[in-house]
Amino acid sequence: DQQVKQNSPSLSVQEGRISILNCDYTNSMFDYFLWYKKYPAEGPTFLISISSIKDKNEDGRFTVFLNKSAKHLSLHIVPSQPGDSAVYFCAASETNTGNQFYFGTGTSLTVIP
Amino acid sequence: DTGVSQNPRHKITKRGQNVTFRCDPISEHNRLYWYRQTLGQGPEFLTYFQNEAQLEKSRLLSDRFSAERPKGSFSTLEIQRTEQGDSAMYLCASSPGGLRNQPQHFGDGTRLSIL
Repeated sequence: DQQVKQNSPSLSVQEGRISILNCDYTNSMFDYFLWYKKYPAEGPTFLISISSIKDKNEDGRFTVFLNKSAKHLSLHIVPSQPGDSAVYFCAASETNTGNQFYFGTGTSLTVIP
Repeated sequence: DTGVSQNPRHKITKRGQNVTFRCDPISEHNRLYWYRQTLGQGPEFLTYFQNEAQLEKSRLLSDRFSAERPKGSFSTLEIQRTEQGDSAMYLCASSPGGLRNQPQHFGDGTRLSIL
């Protein structure tokens, strides 16, 4: 029962353009969402998070958008750089009932120089 | 700034053997988590510690798995009588105490291969 879904296994973008990674979730009780980046042979690295009381959070080139009614979040990277090439995981949690994060299956982003 | 440290990085063992992994969290992080990641999947939650107390366990954590955090610092994850299906990356993460909505910071994992 996959509660967090990333339906695009891969994405290729030209350097300098915008990368948009998408994530859908099914549990309406999720109220904290995160994006992680993962390079091969390394653990996931935290990128950016958003609480359900907001619909947008920005940190430099990274912006996360949350649409609660659609149960959808997205990560925008602009401008994309070759060093952004990695696997991106979205994650979600339900604050009041537990501490585990539920992860999607990841999207492999390739930024073409 | 020391991150989450996991040892060993790789473990190859025969089916039926016992294995133990160690995780050293970021110092002063009260919360420690274990996840398992298989190919093509995201990390899946196994268990969670608040200081030395194990507060949550996933149904993925069969009775062959045991985790400890004896002094509220490092943690160990032991798998007894390993099976082929245990082959995976085992990830440890930690986060500060206090506020609930905080990111978890991951180590680089221990890759387990069962022959």
